[in-house]
Amino acid sequence: KNEVEQSPQNLTAQEGEFITINCSYSVGISALHWLQQHPGGGIVSLFMLSSGKKKHGRLIATINIQEKHSSLHITASHPRDSAVYICAVTGNQFYFGTGTSLTVIP
Amino acid sequence: GAVVSQHPSWVICKSGTSVKIECRSLDFQATTMFWYRQFPKQSLMLMATSNEGSKATYEQGVEKDKFLINHASLTLSTLTVTSAHPEDSSFYICSARDLGDSGNTIYFGEGSWLTVV
Repeated sequence: KNEVEQSPQNLTAQEGEFITINCSYSVGISALHWLQQHPGGGIVSLFMLSSGKKKHGRLIATINIQEKHSSLHITASHPRDSAVYICAVTGNQFYFGTGTSLTVIP
Repeated sequence: GAVVSQHPSWVICKSGTSVKIECRSLDFQATTMFWYRQFPKQSLMLMATSNEGSKATYEQGVEKDKFLINHASLTLSTLTVTSAHPEDSSFYICSARDLGDSGNTIYFGEGSWLTVV
């Protein structure tokens, strides 16, 4: 069993839709990261959370420490949001989810 | 914002040769840098944790004599793939921990595509 589980694995949405990607983890953590990886491979760190909620533009990330669960929301999705979104947790070491491949169709 | 730069972005090398990939933190100091490998359509796999001035800590299954990591300064870590083979072809990414942000903020490099022919 993976220490970090993401769902869904693949997601296709129409432009403008509200998108949610979920991440559950089973280890003790000091922080949770949401990463965005574009087809060229480059990775951008979107959020680093240790509690509560963060918002940046159309992106919102929440974390529930007690339930060991985090969600990444994208409001008013756009084709340029198409990417792989990866949940990662840091504690004593790094654990990565397998990623969610998002495709937003115009 | 903080930037982590990797070089080269793309490299092709012949089997048996060695190739070095650099990871630099451009505007912050990083005592700890991480090296990852990613196969197509798979998640990132942590290879090793690189600490400035000391030996890297390798994850289980990663050959330390094949993947040499040097972290000689607070802004530079290098990964050298020695005696490369085609199966070493992969996407290699580094990240660095920003000391100035409670040590928890991680910044990723752009990655380096290695093709061994």
